[in-house]
Amino acid sequence: KNEVEQSPQNLTAQEGEFITINCSYSVGISALHWLQQHPGGGIVSLFMLSSGKKKHGRLIATINIQEKHSSLHITASHPRDSAVYICAVRSTNYGGSQGNLIFGKGTKLSVKP
Amino acid sequence: DTGVSQDPRHKITKRGQNVTFRCDPISEHNRLYWYRQTLGQGPEFLTYFQNEAQLEKSRLLSDRFSAERPKGSFSTLEIQHTEQGDSAMYLCASSLGGLAPSGANVLTFGAGSRLTVL
Repeated sequence: KNEVEQSPQNLTAQEGEFITINCSYSVGISALHWLQQHPGGGIVSLFMLSSGKKKHGRLIATINIQEKHSSLHITASHPRDSAVYICAVRSTNYGGSQGNLIFGKGTKLSVKP
Repeated sequence: DTGVSQDPRHKITKRGQNVTFRCDPISEHNRLYWYRQTLGQGPEFLTYFQNEAQLEKSRLLSDRFSAERPKGSFSTLEIQHTEQGDSAMYLCASSLGGLAPSGANVLTFGAGSRLTVL
């Protein structure tokens, strides 16, 4: 079993829909990242969370440390949001290493006009 | 500063050849990371530098792989005697770590260097 699991693997939505992507992890963490990867490989860091909730524009990220779960929400989705969204955790199991992020496999989002 | 730069963007090589990738991080970032990503998978950690010191290496980094960051700025990742299984996207990221203001430890990724080993 992967230490970081994302669901769903693939998601198709109509423009304007509210979207939720989930991330569950099984290790102790010091931080969780949400990343966006566009075709061709470019990765953009969206959020880094260690507790609570963060909002940036139409994107909202929440984390529940007790439940070891995080969600990424996109409000009023748009075709330009189409990308792979990746959850990554900085595990304390590795001695709190700053380098060793554990990545989920990603959720491929396609927003249709 | 235009972000994290990686070169080359795409490298095609024959099995057994050596390849080298370069990463230029954001200039004020003291931390630099290398990851490998294969199709349909999330990135996997390879190694990590703080300034010029290589602080951590993944078990994925076999003896054929070596990474350097000689002056604490750009980094190189060399793969010797390439194998077909080395074909992947090699991603570099940087961050500002330590006692830094809000936003520190947020990773900035390069566009990646795609390696194809024939």
